[in-house]
Amino acid sequence: GQQVMQIPQYQHVQEGEDFTTYCNSSTTLSNIQWYKQRPGGHPVFLIQLVKSGEVKKQKRLTFQFGEAKKNSSLHITATQTTDVGTYFCAEKNTGGFKTIFGAGTRLFVKA
Amino acid sequence: DSGVTQTPKHLITATGQRVTLRCSPRSGDLSVYWYQQSLDQGLQFLIQYYNGEERAKGNILERFSAQQFPDLHSELNLSSLELGDSALYFCASSPGTGGTNIQYFGAGTRLSVL
Repeated sequence: GQQVMQIPQYQHVQEGEDFTTYCNSSTTLSNIQWYKQRPGGHPVFLIQLVKSGEVKKQKRLTFQFGEAKKNSSLHITATQTTDVGTYFCAEKNTGGFKTIFGAGTRLFVKA
Repeated sequence: DSGVTQTPKHLITATGQRVTLRCSPRSGDLSVYWYQQSLDQGLQFLIQYYNGEERAKGNILERFSAQQFPDLHSELNLSSLELGDSALYFCASSPGTGGTNIQYFGAGTRLSVL
């Protein structure tokens, strides 16, 4: 069945360091979405990628969609304490119907 | 505020009992999704409804059931509760049913089974 691999599971960084989380699928994806869940909160939509090789930026966050549409990454430049939380990718494979969330990467930022 | 309302916020019950979780989607959204999140775990998709009809099913136990009413609110029924059912249950809504639809999550219902 459809599987979403997200790595790493956890990441501890010093404030100011960069952070990257990766999402990989065994099947071609129609699109990929990224969500952030703050501690004690609920997932909040960040961005959606649809096109092969697409790159989108939101301030210090850079999102990429692989050329083969099987993987994606979220990169945060110069992390801040406000970046703390769990980042989830969510994907729907081509021809599929369900949206599947990755296991998430939990980011810890030390001031 | 996402516009998705979930009630109750907290629920404490005993094993073997039955509970109902309620979700009101954002105004205009036709799709409702239910997810289970155990402690520090990912989001496990349970079920999706679109305009009153079941659209997709995930790893939902037979003891769990859901429905979406004509006014588009949804209820998730959990019966014969076990300790392992303790989790955060999220409801999300989206305008349509396609994969490009953004999901807006409610604040969740925290269920504790003692």
